[in-house]
Amino acid sequence: AQKVTQAQTEISVVEKEDVTLDCVYETRDTTYYLFWYKQPPSGELVFLIRRNSFDEQNEISGRYSWNFQKSTSSFNFTITASQVVDSAVYFCALSTRRGGNTPLVFGKGTRLSVIA
Amino acid sequence: EAQVTQNPRYLITVTGKKLTVTCSQNMNHEYMSWYRQDPGLGLRQIYYSMNVEVTDKGDVPEGYKVSRKEKRNFPLILESPSPNQTSLYFCASRQTSEFGELFFGEGSRLTVL
Repeated sequence: AQKVTQAQTEISVVEKEDVTLDCVYETRDTTYYLFWYKQPPSGELVFLIRRNSFDEQNEISGRYSWNFQKSTSSFNFTITASQVVDSAVYFCALSTRRGGNTPLVFGKGTRLSVIA
Repeated sequence: EAQVTQNPRYLITVTGKKLTVTCSQNMNHEYMSWYRQDPGLGLRQIYYSMNVEVTDKGDVPEGYKVSRKEKRNFPLILESPSPNQTSLYFCASRQTSEFGELFFGEGSRLTVL
């Protein structure tokens, strides 16, 4: 079965601190994709990144970076020099093929609060 | 502007009163899906559709129906809502049924009393 675990329910940091959000996934499939979505207080879901199982290269986008390690089944997300606008709930998700469907299986989310 | 539009955004209703949450996308996407978000549970898939007239159950389909008569629309129907269907609902779409980015609507917060 597919599963995503975000062990950190809530994290609080002071502005300008770095913060890492953990994501551990479980799947027996060799082909899968991993995603991160951001849900700000306004409630919408904002796509951040997609990574396939064959590409373990880390990715950096501005203050955001992602570390994908198949050996530990982890796909962690780091925000460098956090800002108040980063306050949101962050979801990690896994997508595998289930018949004709490729649903996203979400973790329970990590609520990040950045304090000025 | 490319978007997924849901209506209503907020609704309070009573047990047993049928309701429909509409979803429309303007990106000509083939694949559409409904998710519900509950505290401590993350998001879970209710139904999905791979194309017009092709729909199937997700992980939590009980109490819901869907239809896909047109490519752009994918309404979620609650025939007889119950309090355990109080939730935040998201419609989403993507170009194919493969692993592409899902575009989500803004969400519909439903309360069933």
